[in-house]
Amino acid sequence: DVQLVESGGGLVKPGGSLRLSCTGSGFTFSSYSMSWVRQAPQKGLEWVASISNTGSNIDYEDSLKGRFTVSRDNARNTLYLELKQLRVEDTAVYHCTRDFRPPRGYSPHWGQGTQVTVSS
Amino acid sequence: DIQMTQSPSSLSASVGDRVTVTCRANQDIGFYLAWYQHKPGTAPKLLIYGASALQSGVPSRFSGSGSGTEFTLTINNLQPEDFAVYYCQKCGSAPYTFGPGTKVDLK
Repeated sequence: DVQLVESGGGLVKPGGSLRLSCTGSGFTFSSYSMSWVRQAPQKGLEWVASISNTGSNIDYEDSLKGRFTVSRDNARNTLYLELKQLRVEDTAVYHCTRDFRPPRGYSPHWGQGTQVTVSS
Repeated sequence: DIQMTQSPSSLSASVGDRVTVTCRANQDIGFYLAWYQHKPGTAPKLLIYGASALQSGVPSRFSGSGSGTEFTLTINNLQPEDFAVYYCQKCGSAPYTFGPGTKVDLK
């Protein structure tokens, strides 16, 4: 079975940084594009970023470019999301997701998410 | 960027009802449209991809239709476990924008 497990969330002050991780198992991690999707409290789902299987192609939600960086380590079956200059409005549950192959931006597999809280 | 809208934003229905949710894109996205179901405290679940393809394991009472700029999710014979928020998502090429969601609750 495909499993995605996020970690690294927590409480951070405005302006701070955090690195989220997502470890995949039950599939050949290096073959699939991966994404991050977040949900702020009382808000809808928001696509954050996607990275191709080799890491050569990366896309971001425009408003997050420059503060968020997605990367992957296929040898460790791990996806990362580095969050910098965090704002209160970045408070959300962050999910990693796996696409189909070939990738078209769909998310058939989701992790349970990791909570990021930005507060002074 | 392409914007996604959904209607209604919420609806009340009874078990056994047929429910329809509409999603619109402000530009042609072909068939690159997904539908997700989301319940509080759980991970969202992909229901439909490619506008009308049923994801493996999803009950056949769920169906999707449409292309271009207008899409529909239909739930036939609504079941108690179907009360949730439903999101559409534009796929195909980034940004993979979600719609604002439609909450389906019990009448």
